[in-house]
Amino acid sequence: DARVTQTPRHKVTEMGQEVTMRCQPILGHNTVFWYRQTMMQGLELLAYFRNRAPLDDSGMPKDRFSAEMPDATLATLKIQPSEPRDSAVYFCASGLVKGTNYGYTFGSGTRLTVV
Amino acid sequence: KQEVTQIPAALSVPEGENLVLNCSFTDSAIYNLQWFRQDPGKGLTSLLLIQSSQREQTSGRLNASLDKSSGRSTLYIAASQPGDSATYLCAVTRNTGNQFYFGTGTSLTVIP
Repeated sequence: DARVTQTPRHKVTEMGQEVTMRCQPILGHNTVFWYRQTMMQGLELLAYFRNRAPLDDSGMPKDRFSAEMPDATLATLKIQPSEPRDSAVYFCASGLVKGTNYGYTFGSGTRLTVV
Repeated sequence: KQEVTQIPAALSVPEGENLVLNCSFTDSAIYNLQWFRQDPGKGLTSLLLIQSSQREQTSGRLNASLDKSSGRSTLYIAASQPGDSATYLCAVTRNTGNQFYFGTGTSLTVIP
């Protein structure tokens, strides 16, 4: 089965440190999303890309978060500096959108704890 | 902005019962709707995808329906099993941009 691969699975870091999360979308998918999940807010969209171009990053705190797709096989989400309120599970999802949207596949997530 | 609501927030049923989970959305201009399952501490697994032109989709014991005009979808689970215990989330994709919005989920417990 094709999978969306996220690394690391878990990350504990101290406040103020830089955190980088990585996502390998399914080969051939042209759309990549980053979501954040917390108990209080549920799933929140942070950013998404189509054909590696950012389409919407309005959900991200711009002063500390950045999302990029250096190539079609890698998406990154970076937090600098990290804060305790960033503690959450970060999910990447990918899908093929080409005339029709065929739905999205999620990775297993990166559980981030900022202490 | 699209708002997606799922009722109930939690549901507990005895094994073998048929059950229905509800999802409602405020903007009927959707492209498609997807139902996901999430096990504790895990990612989301796609269950069913319904395009806006479709009325329902079936996979095994699962049947999802979509009524765009009323802004509702239901997920029907037949003959529930303890292994069905999980959180079920619905997500709708906007008509433009293909951004998708999640509901808050229904936590299902099937009691053996």
